[in-house]
Amino acid sequence: EVQLLESGGGLVQPGGSLRLSCAASGFTFSSYAMSWVRQAPGKGLEWVSGISGSGGSTYYADSVKGRFTISRDNSKNTLYLQMNSLRAEDTAVYYCAKDHLPRSVNDAFDIWGQGTMVTVSS
Amino acid sequence: DIQMTQSPSSLSASVGDRVTITCRASQGISNYLAWYQQKPGKVPKLLIFAASTLQSGVPSRFSGSGSGTDFTLTISSLQPEDVATYYCQKYNSAPGTFGQGTKVEIK
Repeated sequence: EVQLLESGGGLVQPGGSLRLSCAASGFTFSSYAMSWVRQAPGKGLEWVSGISGSGGSTYYADSVKGRFTISRDNSKNTLYLQMNSLRAEDTAVYYCAKDHLPRSVNDAFDIWGQGTMVTVSS
Repeated sequence: DIQMTQSPSSLSASVGDRVTITCRASQGISNYLAWYQQKPGKVPKLLIFAASTLQSGVPSRFSGSGSGTDFTLTISSLQPEDVATYYCQKYNSAPGTFGQGTKVEIK
């Protein structure tokens, strides 16, 4: 069964850092681009960042560029999101999501994790 | 960046009604358009990709159409289990912008 399991969320003070992880199973992880999508409480979906299957190409929303870093360890089937200089407006559920097709860079997301909550507050 | 605008933001319809949701891109995106369904408290689910291709396991009452800048999601006969918020997303290039969502309720 294809599965994504996020971890690493929690409460952090403004200006602080957090690293999210997404453990993948049930598919050839290195063949698929992956992304992070977030959803603030009561709000819509916001694409945050994406990374190619090899990890050689990365993409960011303007709202997080320069503060967040996406990476992956294909030997561990794990996706990461390093979040620095966190702000109150970064408070959201963070989902990792898998591209629908292998070896694509931009694609729809056919599998989503359950999400991990990040709260930025003093 | 390309903006995605959905309409309406919410709608209420009766069981069995035909429901149509529109998504407009600020620039042409060919058919690189997906639709997702998010039920309350649940994870988003892919319904349609490539503007009109139904994802495996999705009921045939859902359909998508459009190309370029104007797209439509149609539910041919609304069912109680279709209560959800629906999002479009463009994926021709980063950023993979989502529409603001359309909340569908039963009248």
